[in-house]
Amino acid sequence: AQSVTQLGSHVSVSEGALVLLRCNYSSSVPPYLFWYVQYPNQGLQLLLKYTSAATLVKGINGFEAEFKKSETSFHLTKPSAHMSDAAEYFCAVSEAGANSKLTFGKGITLSVRP
Amino acid sequence: GAGVSQSPSNKVTEKGKDVELRCDPISGHTALYWYRQRLGQGLEFLIYFQGNSAPDKSGLPSDRFSAERTGESVSTLTIQRTQQEDSAVYLCASSRDSTEAFFGQGTRLTVV
Repeated sequence: AQSVTQLGSHVSVSEGALVLLRCNYSSSVPPYLFWYVQYPNQGLQLLLKYTSAATLVKGINGFEAEFKKSETSFHLTKPSAHMSDAAEYFCAVSEAGANSKLTFGKGITLSVRP
Repeated sequence: GAGVSQSPSNKVTEKGKDVELRCDPISGHTALYWYRQRLGQGLEFLIYFQGNSAPDKSGLPSDRFSAERTGESVSTLTIQRTQQEDSAVYLCASSRDSTEAFFGQGTRLTVV
């Protein structure tokens, strides 16, 4: 069975500062990994995904994530936070090569201070 | 339609009444998920349908909750004898394979 751990429930950064949202996963087979974002009062949308190609994945709005198998991690980063990045971020995992269930982490709220 | 459609978008019901929530997945998507999101909380997995396989019901919180799916089409989530703690946004998502799930806008359920 797979699982996702997102430590902490809230991260606050200053505008222009580095954003780092951590995600660790557990999977018995090679994983597919995802970050979803939920802006206030909106639905979830895909930010980026890793599906066994390049380990550094670039997504929308300047976000990127790196798959590190040795660390079982898929942390999300953005070099410079913008006020519009304030949202809820969810990491998710599924099993590569199979119709496997998508398992989400608890999510983390990002606040951006002016 | 182009995306996952959920109806109604908002539902207010009296405690003890039954409610039925509907999800129309993207055509051709074999997988369908239901999640619950309480105010200020994360995603709570409820149920997962994959093709003709038996659904994964491991997330349903009580026997008041049930869900059906007709083939690879519409799904309905039914909550019987609603309680105030059932108030939440219920999200549906569909997926063609394991590579991405597409979410609907959700149904906001308020039990008064």
